[in-house]
Amino acid sequence: SQQGEEDPQALSIQEGENATMNCSYKTSINNLQWYRQNSGRGLVHLILIRSNEREKHSGRLRVTLDTSKKSSSLLITASRAADTASYFCATDANRGSRLTFGEGTQLTVNP
Amino acid sequence: DAGVIQSPRHEVTEMGQEVTLRCKPISGHDYLFWYRQTMMRGLELLIYFNNNVPIDDSGMPEDRFSAKMPNASFSTLKIQPSEPRDSAVYFCASRASGTQYFGPGTRLLVL
Repeated sequence: SQQGEEDPQALSIQEGENATMNCSYKTSINNLQWYRQNSGRGLVHLILIRSNEREKHSGRLRVTLDTSKKSSSLLITASRAADTASYFCATDANRGSRLTFGEGTQLTVNP
Repeated sequence: DAGVIQSPRHEVTEMGQEVTLRCKPISGHDYLFWYRQTMMRGLELLIYFNNNVPIDDSGMPEDRFSAKMPNASFSTLKIQPSEPRDSAVYFCASRASGTQYFGPGTRLLVL
Protein backbone atom coordinates (compact mmCIF):
# COMPACT_ATOMS: atom_id res chain seq x y z
CA SER A 1 0.00 0.00 0.00
CA GLN A 2 1.13 3.53 -0.60
CA GLN A 3 2.45 6.19 1.71
CA GLY A 4 -0.30 8.32 3.16
CA GLU A 5 -3.48 6.27 3.38
CA GLU A 6 -6.60 7.93 4.71
CA ASP A 7 -9.28 6.27 6.71
CA PRO A 8 -12.21 6.21 6.27
CA GLN A 9 -12.58 6.55 2.51
CA ALA A 10 -15.93 8.28 2.99
CA LEU A 11 -17.60 9.91 5.98
CA SER A 12 -21.08 11.38 6.23
CA ILE A 13 -22.13 13.40 9.28
CA GLN A 14 -24.67 16.01 10.33
CA GLU A 15 -23.87 19.66 10.62
CA GLY A 16 -22.53 20.49 14.06
CA GLU A 17 -20.94 17.09 14.60
CA ASN A 18 -17.20 16.52 14.70
CA ALA A 19 -15.42 14.76 11.85
CA THR A 20 -12.28 12.71 12.37
CA MET A 21 -10.10 11.45 9.56
CA ASN A 22 -7.01 9.33 9.94
CA CYS A 23 -3.86 8.94 7.91
CA SER A 24 -1.18 6.28 8.07
CA TYR A 25 2.18 6.31 6.39
CA LYS A 26 5.17 4.03 6.08
CA THR A 27 8.46 5.91 6.02
CA SER A 28 10.08 8.53 8.21
CA ILE A 29 8.87 12.03 7.52
CA ASN A 30 9.92 15.63 7.99
CA ASN A 31 6.35 16.81 8.15
CA LEU A 32 2.81 15.82 7.35
CA GLN A 33 0.29 18.10 5.72
CA TRP A 34 -3.46 18.07 5.24
CA TYR A 35 -5.15 19.45 2.17
CA ARG A 36 -8.78 19.96 1.20
CA GLN A 37 -10.24 19.65 -2.26
CA ASN A 38 -13.67 20.94 -3.10
CA SER A 39 -15.38 19.33 -6.05
CA GLY A 40 -13.90 20.54 -9.31
CA ARG A 41 -11.18 22.59 -7.63
CA GLY A 42 -7.52 22.34 -6.81
CA LEU A 43 -6.19 21.23 -3.45
CA VAL A 44 -5.91 23.82 -0.70
CA HIS A 45 -3.40 23.55 2.09
CA LEU A 46 -4.96 23.38 5.56
CA ILE A 47 -2.24 22.67 8.08
CA LEU A 48 1.31 21.37 8.42
CA ILE A 49 2.64 19.46 11.40
CA ARG A 50 6.34 18.77 11.81
CA SER A 51 7.75 15.45 12.89
CA ASN A 52 8.74 16.87 16.28
CA GLU A 53 5.23 18.16 16.97
CA ARG A 54 2.42 16.10 18.45
CA GLU A 55 -0.57 18.37 18.06
CA LYS A 56 -1.49 21.50 16.20
CA HIS A 57 -4.60 23.66 16.03
CA SER A 58 -5.92 26.04 13.42
CA GLY A 59 -9.41 27.39 13.96
CA ARG A 60 -11.77 24.42 14.00
CA LEU A 61 -9.01 22.07 12.87
CA ARG A 62 -6.97 19.90 15.18
CA VAL A 63 -4.19 17.69 13.86
CA THR A 64 -2.29 15.09 15.81
CA LEU A 65 0.80 13.20 14.82
CA ASP A 66 2.11 9.97 16.32
CA THR A 67 5.45 9.19 14.70
CA SER A 68 5.79 5.94 16.66
CA LYS A 69 2.62 4.66 15.01
CA LYS A 70 3.24 6.54 11.78
CA SER A 71 -0.22 8.00 11.89
CA SER A 72 -2.00 11.32 11.98
CA SER A 73 -5.55 12.44 12.53
CA LEU A 74 -7.48 15.49 11.40
CA LEU A 75 -10.39 16.60 13.54
CA ILE A 76 -12.87 19.15 12.30
CA THR A 77 -15.04 20.41 15.12
CA ALA A 78 -18.58 21.78 14.79
CA SER A 79 -18.71 20.85 11.12
CA ARG A 80 -20.56 22.93 8.55
CA ALA A 81 -22.07 22.04 5.21
CA ALA A 82 -19.26 24.08 3.62
CA ASP A 83 -16.75 21.58 5.02
CA THR A 84 -18.01 19.04 2.49
CA ALA A 85 -14.93 18.14 0.46
CA SER A 86 -12.21 15.55 0.02
CA TYR A 87 -9.39 15.68 2.55
CA PHE A 88 -5.91 14.43 1.76
CA CYS A 89 -2.90 13.87 3.91
CA ALA A 90 0.51 14.34 2.33
CA THR A 91 3.87 13.35 3.69
CA ASP A 92 7.16 15.11 3.15
CA ALA A 93 9.88 12.51 3.53
CA ASN A 94 12.59 14.87 2.33
CA ARG A 95 12.85 13.10 -1.01
CA GLY A 96 13.71 16.18 -2.93
CA SER A 97 10.84 18.27 -1.60
CA ARG A 98 8.12 16.17 -3.14
CA LEU A 99 4.95 15.31 -1.25
CA THR A 100 3.27 11.94 -1.37
CA PHE A 101 -0.50 12.21 -1.23
CA GLY A 102 -2.94 9.64 0.06
CA GLU A 103 -6.15 8.67 -1.64
CA GLY A 104 -8.29 11.02 0.41
CA THR A 105 -11.37 10.92 2.59
CA GLN A 106 -14.61 12.20 1.11
CA LEU A 107 -16.44 14.11 3.83
CA THR A 108 -20.10 14.98 3.45
CA VAL A 109 -21.68 17.29 6.01
CA ASN A 110 -25.44 17.22 5.80
CA PRO A 111 -27.31 20.41 6.73
CA ASP B 1 -1.07 37.49 -6.00
CA ALA B 2 -3.54 35.66 -8.25
CA GLY B 3 -2.32 32.24 -7.21
CA VAL B 4 -1.25 29.51 -9.56
CA ILE B 5 -2.80 30.02 -12.98
CA GLN B 6 -3.53 27.20 -15.37
CA SER B 7 -4.85 27.22 -18.89
CA PRO B 8 -6.96 26.05 -20.45
CA ARG B 9 -9.43 25.09 -17.75
CA HIS B 10 -11.08 22.54 -19.98
CA GLU B 11 -9.80 20.78 -23.07
CA VAL B 12 -11.60 18.32 -25.29
CA THR B 13 -9.58 16.78 -28.07
CA GLU B 14 -9.47 13.77 -30.30
CA MET B 15 -7.11 10.88 -29.93
CA GLY B 16 -3.81 11.52 -31.67
CA GLN B 17 -3.89 15.27 -31.25
CA GLU B 18 -1.24 17.23 -29.40
CA VAL B 19 -2.29 18.78 -26.11
CA THR B 20 -0.42 21.57 -24.33
CA LEU B 21 -1.25 22.55 -20.79
CA ARG B 22 0.11 25.74 -19.32
CA CYS B 23 0.97 26.90 -15.84
CA LYS B 24 2.07 30.15 -14.26
CA PRO B 25 3.36 29.58 -10.72
CA ILE B 26 3.17 32.05 -7.88
CA SER B 27 5.93 34.62 -8.17
CA GLY B 28 8.91 33.78 -5.99
CA HIS B 29 8.14 30.10 -5.65
CA ASP B 30 11.13 28.01 -6.69
CA TYR B 31 9.44 24.64 -7.05
CA LEU B 32 6.81 23.67 -9.60
CA PHE B 33 4.93 20.38 -9.69
CA TRP B 34 2.69 18.73 -12.27
CA TYR B 35 0.09 16.22 -11.04
CA ARG B 36 -2.57 14.12 -12.68
CA GLN B 37 -5.76 13.13 -10.87
CA THR B 38 -8.16 10.36 -11.85
CA MET B 39 -10.75 8.38 -9.94
CA MET B 40 -8.85 5.17 -10.51
CA ARG B 41 -5.32 6.29 -9.66
CA GLY B 42 -5.88 9.27 -7.39
CA LEU B 43 -3.35 12.10 -7.40
CA GLU B 44 -0.10 11.23 -9.14
CA LEU B 45 3.03 13.34 -9.30
CA LEU B 46 4.25 13.49 -12.87
CA ILE B 47 7.29 15.76 -12.68
CA TYR B 48 8.67 18.62 -10.66
CA PHE B 49 11.13 21.43 -11.20
CA ASN B 50 13.41 23.39 -8.91
CA ASN B 51 14.61 26.75 -10.19
CA ASN B 52 13.37 25.77 -13.66
CA VAL B 53 15.39 22.54 -13.71
CA PRO B 54 13.56 19.19 -13.86
CA ILE B 55 14.41 17.23 -10.73
CA ASP B 56 12.31 14.10 -10.91
CA ASP B 57 10.33 12.99 -13.94
CA SER B 58 9.89 9.39 -12.86
CA GLY B 59 6.14 9.88 -12.72
CA MET B 60 5.82 10.79 -16.37
CA PRO B 61 3.89 7.84 -17.75
CA GLU B 62 5.34 7.60 -21.23
CA ASP B 63 7.50 9.34 -23.79
CA ARG B 64 4.33 10.91 -25.09
CA PHE B 65 4.48 13.23 -22.08
CA SER B 66 6.99 16.05 -21.85
CA ALA B 67 7.31 19.10 -19.63
CA LYS B 68 9.34 22.25 -19.84
CA MET B 69 9.97 25.26 -17.69
CA PRO B 70 11.72 27.87 -19.84
CA ASN B 71 11.62 30.49 -17.09
CA ALA B 72 10.50 31.00 -13.51
CA SER B 73 7.04 32.14 -14.49
CA PHE B 74 5.94 29.57 -17.02
CA SER B 75 5.74 25.83 -17.52
CA THR B 76 4.09 23.55 -20.06
CA LEU B 77 3.03 19.94 -20.02
CA LYS B 78 2.65 18.45 -23.47
CA ILE B 79 1.04 15.20 -24.54
CA GLN B 80 1.77 14.09 -28.07
CA PRO B 81 -0.04 12.09 -29.31
CA SER B 82 -2.90 12.08 -26.83
CA GLU B 83 -4.88 8.94 -26.00
CA PRO B 84 -8.26 8.44 -24.27
CA ARG B 85 -6.51 7.05 -21.17
CA ASP B 86 -4.87 10.45 -20.71
CA SER B 87 -8.25 11.89 -19.76
CA ALA B 88 -7.86 13.33 -16.29
CA VAL B 89 -7.54 16.56 -14.36
CA TYR B 90 -4.02 17.94 -14.52
CA PHE B 91 -2.87 20.17 -11.70
CA CYS B 92 0.08 22.46 -11.45
CA ALA B 93 1.35 23.48 -8.02
CA SER B 94 4.12 25.74 -6.79
CA ARG B 95 5.83 25.58 -3.45
CA ALA B 96 6.93 27.90 -0.70
CA SER B 97 8.11 26.93 2.77
CA GLY B 98 7.10 23.33 2.31
CA THR B 99 3.51 24.12 1.38
CA GLN B 100 2.22 23.51 -2.10
CA TYR B 101 -0.24 25.85 -3.74
CA PHE B 102 -2.39 24.27 -6.39
CA GLY B 103 -3.88 25.76 -9.49
CA PRO B 104 -7.51 25.14 -10.45
CA GLY B 105 -6.55 22.34 -12.81
CA THR B 106 -7.12 21.54 -16.45
CA ARG B 107 -9.83 18.99 -17.14
CA LEU B 108 -8.72 17.03 -20.20
CA LEU B 109 -10.98 14.76 -22.17
CA VAL B 110 -9.50 12.79 -25.04
CA LEU B 111 -12.10 11.23 -27.29
